[in-house]
Amino acid sequence: QQPVQSPQAVILREGEDAVINCSSSKALYSVHWYRQKHGEAPVFLMILLKGGEQKGHEKISASFNEKKQQSSLYLTASQLSYSGTYFCGTDNTGTASKLTFGTGTRLQVTL
Amino acid sequence: KAGVTQTPRYLIKTRGQQVTLSCSPISGHRSVSWYQQTPGQGLQFLFEYFSETQRNKGNFPGRFSGRQFSNSRSEMNVSTLELGDSALYLCASRSPSETYNEQFFGPGTRLTVL
Repeated sequence: QQPVQSPQAVILREGEDAVINCSSSKALYSVHWYRQKHGEAPVFLMILLKGGEQKGHEKISASFNEKKQQSSLYLTASQLSYSGTYFCGTDNTGTASKLTFGTGTRLQVTL
Repeated sequence: KAGVTQTPRYLIKTRGQQVTLSCSPISGHRSVSWYQQTPGQGLQFLFEYFSETQRNKGNFPGRFSGRQFSNSRSEMNVSTLELGDSALYLCASRSPSETYNEQFFGPGTRLTVL
């Protein structure tokens, strides 16, 4: 079952903040975040592991609530380059080799 | 380091035909995963290959199959194409050195079934 992402879409002005949420009905070992720009391949942003470890880009912050099987991605002081569709991929096998992706959150940053 | 490459980039087929897509992972990466991306369903996992063995499989019919060669290149085959198979097919490679490592996606193959 796919994780549920919210909101489905959001429009920001440059400099504003946004939070994208990802919620799963299954127990998770890790959550993976990717951003995809139109016509391009998804690009890795961050991995959040059970136990609190994180791996990813320094400018991106995120949280992982293991008890609620929820993750949130925090985009602060947004830039035009942040525009794209954000996907969370959940891992409930512990191997990170089979990710179940949400349907995405479309983010548009305007001037 | 060269990225993940996929060929062909675009493909048009008719119902009932079969198709083979190719993916060359980043040098040194032995894990290759395949995903189907459609506007309605998003990114859906098809299967993962590691060292020529299928390690994981998603919920797709048997018409979807794959294989991996000794040089880690992978192919995906779809037989008896249906209109609903029209999608962007992405492959992603991952370094096996750590379990929790980012996946590097290729540009995808856009398959249109008429």
